[in-house]
Amino acid sequence: AQTVTQSQPEMSVQEAETVTLSCTYDTSENNYYLFWYKQPPSRQMILVIRQEAYKQQNATENRFSVNFQKAAKSFSLKISDSQLGDTAMYFCAFMKLNRDDKIIFGKGTRLHILP
Amino acid sequence: EPEVTQTPSHQVTQMGQEVILRCVPISNHLYFYWYRQILGQKVEFLVSFYNNEISEKSEIFDDQFSVERPDGSNFTLKIRSTKLEDSAMYFCASTWDSYNEQFFGPGTRLTVL
Repeated sequence: AQTVTQSQPEMSVQEAETVTLSCTYDTSENNYYLFWYKQPPSRQMILVIRQEAYKQQNATENRFSVNFQKAAKSFSLKISDSQLGDTAMYFCAFMKLNRDDKIIFGKGTRLHILP
Repeated sequence: EPEVTQTPSHQVTQMGQEVILRCVPISNHLYFYWYRQILGQKVEFLVSFYNNEISEKSEIFDDQFSVERPDGSNFTLKIRSTKLEDSAMYFCASTWDSYNEQFFGPGTRLTVL
């Protein structure tokens, strides 16, 4: 079975700083997706970034980038130039590349951006 | 941009009552999911649905739960006799291709008193 572990329950950084959220996962699969979802106080789930396991290049989306280490089964999220609107719960998630497979979420990291 | 919608946004019910949570997936999507998030905890998979039948269900999804796609647009989750521990945020998600990302709705907050 697949598992996703986020070891940082809560983090705080000053606005404009860079912050890195950690995630490790366990799987015997070779083909899968990894995601970071943002959940603001409204509790809507917003996809931040996606990484396909077969791609060696790390995904980037504007101020958000990942460090994907497949051998180490590590998938960290870096937020550059953090903004107050980045304050949210961040979930790391895993999905097998399989017909209609489910997403498996980590427990989340609560990120506070301080003014 | 098309999006998944869910109604109601908040449902309050008495223990033992039946509730139906409604979702309208994105129109050309074929795979549908329900997830649950108890306050302060992680999001957990409940059930996946494809071609008018359940593809997979978790151990949370017991006989009190059922899903249905009664017409071409709605996808519902029914809880037959709610328990206090069913209080949670329920998210619907859909995708057109299981090899792509799932799009989440805004969630329905269910409160069981």
